[in-house]
Amino acid sequence: NAGVTQTPKFRVLKTGQSMTLLCAQDMNHEYMYWYRQDPGMGLRLIHYSVGEGTTAKGEVPDGYNVSRLKKQNFLLGLESAAPSQTSVYFCASSYPSGSVYNEQFFGPGTRLTVL
Amino acid sequence: LAKTTQPISMDSYEGQEVNITCSHNNIATNDYITWYQQFPSQGPRFIIQGYKTKVTNEVASLFIPADRKSSTLSLPRVSLSDTAVYYCLVGNYNTDKLIFGTGTRLQVFP
Repeated sequence: NAGVTQTPKFRVLKTGQSMTLLCAQDMNHEYMYWYRQDPGMGLRLIHYSVGEGTTAKGEVPDGYNVSRLKKQNFLLGLESAAPSQTSVYFCASSYPSGSVYNEQFFGPGTRLTVL
Repeated sequence: LAKTTQPISMDSYEGQEVNITCSHNNIATNDYITWYQQFPSQGPRFIIQGYKTKVTNEVASLFIPADRKSSTLSLPRVSLSDTAVYYCLVGNYNTDKLIFGTGTRLQVFP
């Protein structure tokens, strides 16, 4: 199993450009999450999804949109990138609701720089 | 929201026991406490999770007092490979109330 994979690993954007980050998991997890991590800070939840076709806002959703058209994929979109969105983005997935352990499995991250 | 507070950094030597405490005064009744480890340029990795009292697995122990306002991650006999950032996460995976702390940077010296 590949676990959680993220595409791309690195990206440089100019202010105002758009892009989509792809997260894929092969563990049949119901829940998927997008976080951002800035230097010296912990992870902050952007959006999450509790199942195919559903998404919800996290702690810092502004400037981002997400979609969960397939259970195994969770896309994070930036419609008009801003320098404040320069960060490392992590995707994660977890067991279905009601499981004894709700461990999150994280991807390797995408390093995004917005100039 | 159950905000968490952890020490910014800790130093230790190989073979010692390390205890990292996380404060979460506003923890909710249905919140769990989870600890993650993160190495540079990698995503966090699950270490241990608990709700109350003590939990132990093959790599760590988690101590949670009765009031659940804090928790302590205990790493027995650390090695150089335990040098990493450790995050305390408090929340309920059925909601968006997942709050990571700012992490504790553990440096293990030979």
